[in-house]
Amino acid sequence: EDQVTQSPEALRLQEGESSSLNCSYTVSGLRGLFWYRQDPGKGPEFLFTLYSAGEEKEKERLKATLTKKESFLHITAPKPEDSATYLCAVQAMNTGFQKLVFGTGTRLLVSP
Amino acid sequence: EAGVTQFPSHSVIEKGQTVTLRCDPISGHDNLYWYRRVMGKEIKFLLHFVKESKQDESGMPNNRFLAERTGGTYSTLKVQPAELEDSGVYFCASSLPGNTIYFGEGSWLTVV
Repeated sequence: EDQVTQSPEALRLQEGESSSLNCSYTVSGLRGLFWYRQDPGKGPEFLFTLYSAGEEKEKERLKATLTKKESFLHITAPKPEDSATYLCAVQAMNTGFQKLVFGTGTRLLVSP
Repeated sequence: EAGVTQFPSHSVIEKGQTVTLRCDPISGHDNLYWYRRVMGKEIKFLLHFVKESKQDESGMPNNRFLAERTGGTYSTLKVQPAELEDSGVYFCASSLPGNTIYFGEGSWLTVV
């Protein structure tokens, strides 16, 4: 069964304090790994898609990387507006379609 | 361009009643998905439409849930009769084939 585990569950940072969020996955053939951001009371907002080990993508203070077993979301010099829940999800080759399997997310709080 | 829109945003109903949630996908998106997050759990897949056809309904919990997408445009998800464990956030999402999946803001359902 496809599975996604995110750690830590919650992370508190000071503004400017860089850190990384982890997403470990087991999937029978990875089609794609996705990072979403979710603000309270809102739906998931797409950030990145990674397709193969070694791939990296960046957007402002965020950088996502992918290995064969995990992905990291690196946050460089975070600001309070980066506070949100970050969700990781995978698509498996064997689903045939586009079903996403989500982790439970990492709640990030950045204090000024 | 309008995103995925969902209605109602919040709903409180009594156990045994019926609730119908509506989703309007992004214009031109043939793929439409329903997901659900119950308290403390990860977001889970319910089903996937391509136009008006159900491609994958493996995540539907039981026969109290009925999803339709007449005409391949908007979709409805009916819960009848609602049970306490159906409380949660119901997300609709849409995409082009093989492309990024975009989520709506969610419909928050409370069954009392």
